[in-house]
Amino acid sequence: AQSVTQLDSQVPVFEEAPVELRCNYSSSVSVYLFWYVQYPNQGLQLLLKYLSGSTLVESINGFEAEFNKSQTSFHLRKPSVHISDTAEYFCAVSGGGYQKVTFGTGTKLQVIP
Amino acid sequence: GAGVSQTPSNKVTEKGKYVELRCDPISGHTALYWYRQSLGQGPEFLIYFQGTGAADDSGLPNDRFFAVRPEGSVSTLKIQRTERGDSAVYLCASTGQGALGANVLTFGAGSRLTVL
Repeated sequence: AQSVTQLDSQVPVFEEAPVELRCNYSSSVSVYLFWYVQYPNQGLQLLLKYLSGSTLVESINGFEAEFNKSQTSFHLRKPSVHISDTAEYFCAVSGGGYQKVTFGTGTKLQVIP
Repeated sequence: GAGVSQTPSNKVTEKGKYVELRCDPISGHTALYWYRQSLGQGPEFLIYFQGTGAADDSGLPNDRFFAVRPEGSVSTLKIQRTERGDSAVYLCASTGQGALGANVLTFGAGSRLTVL
């Protein structure tokens, strides 16, 4: 069985401030980890993923996440947020192959001007 | 097609009615997933297909829910005797081949179901 915990349902942060969105997972097998983003009135889209190799992964818009196996975490960070980052962010885990992807309950990031 | 297409985008029905939701995945994607997203919640897994067969249907909540993918492309999610608790956005996603890329889901815009 696999599960994802996103403890923060909402995170308000001022523009240009750093942010961290927390994600912890549990899985009985090796994992693939993902962050998906849902902008207002848009569908879910992939932000970044960890499949293998380097434990630090980056997105094209400045977000990064680090796979920490000992702490079973995959926290999402950005050193300086923009208004356009306002969205809901979902952490997800999969056991690999064509298996189901399990999502967390989401964290709403509110960037304050 | 270029993306995952879901129809209808909105469906309002009455309690007890039958509903079909359609998903047209990205051309060539062999795996297709259905999720349900209720207000304030993350996507909840329902079922996924590998080709024509349901590889994992453990998320279907009860026997009122059924899904098919007869030719390994388009899929239909069928809900019988709808209840108000079925109201949600139903999301479809597909993914292509490749061991490492297998889990990277591309989602459609969703079908919003409202049961009155």
